[in-house]
Amino acid sequence: SQKIEQNSEALNIQEGKTATLTCNYTNYSPAYLQWYRQDPGRGPVFLLLIRENEKEKRKERLKVTFDTTLKQSLFHITASQPADSATYLCALGLDRGSTLGRLYFGRGTQLTVWP
Amino acid sequence: EAGVAQSPRYKIIEKRQSVAFWCNPISGHATLYWYQQILGQGPKLLIQFQNNGVVDDSQLPKDRFSAERLKGVDSTLKIQPAKLEDSAVYLCASSGEGSGNTIYFGEGSWLTVV
Repeated sequence: SQKIEQNSEALNIQEGKTATLTCNYTNYSPAYLQWYRQDPGRGPVFLLLIRENEKEKRKERLKVTFDTTLKQSLFHITASQPADSATYLCALGLDRGSTLGRLYFGRGTQLTVWP
Repeated sequence: EAGVAQSPRYKIIEKRQSVAFWCNPISGHATLYWYQQILGQGPKLLIQFQNNGVVDDSQLPKDRFSAERLKGVDSTLKIQPAKLEDSAVYLCASSGEGSGNTIYFGEGSWLTVV
């Protein structure tokens, strides 16, 4: 069966450290993978997209890697801050056309950064 | 730029009653999505529109859920009759030319069925 698994439901780290979140999938062949941030009571907010032919993407303090052999994506937040505390969702996209189609979401990892 | 607007924000209904949610996407976005997010889970796509046509409604429980986007802009999602397991957040999202590969979500409509 198809699965998207995100590491531990909750991750607690100290301010200034690097947070690493994992997204593993089985029985999918994604064209791209996205990471979203979701705060309590709010909708998901897009952070980064990485395509199947890309190994790594960076945006400010965020870094995403994508290993289609391992079927895994790692999401890193460097120099983490309490304001980074939120739930982070990974989502797989299967469409290789121009229109964004269905996204398949994991359950999310709740990150807490403490001072 | 205004974001995706949704209403109502919160709704409590009894089982077997009906409810409707409204969504206004970002101006110019041709693609509109309705996702259902049950507490503790990731969002699940219910239906996707391209302009006023349905692209994907394979996960929509059509015996009780319906959605329309008559003029290719606003959309309405209806549930009738509601079941307890429909308690969730209903997220509307949109994307289009100029948004790159980004889907923009609204704040969601929270439904509690009692």
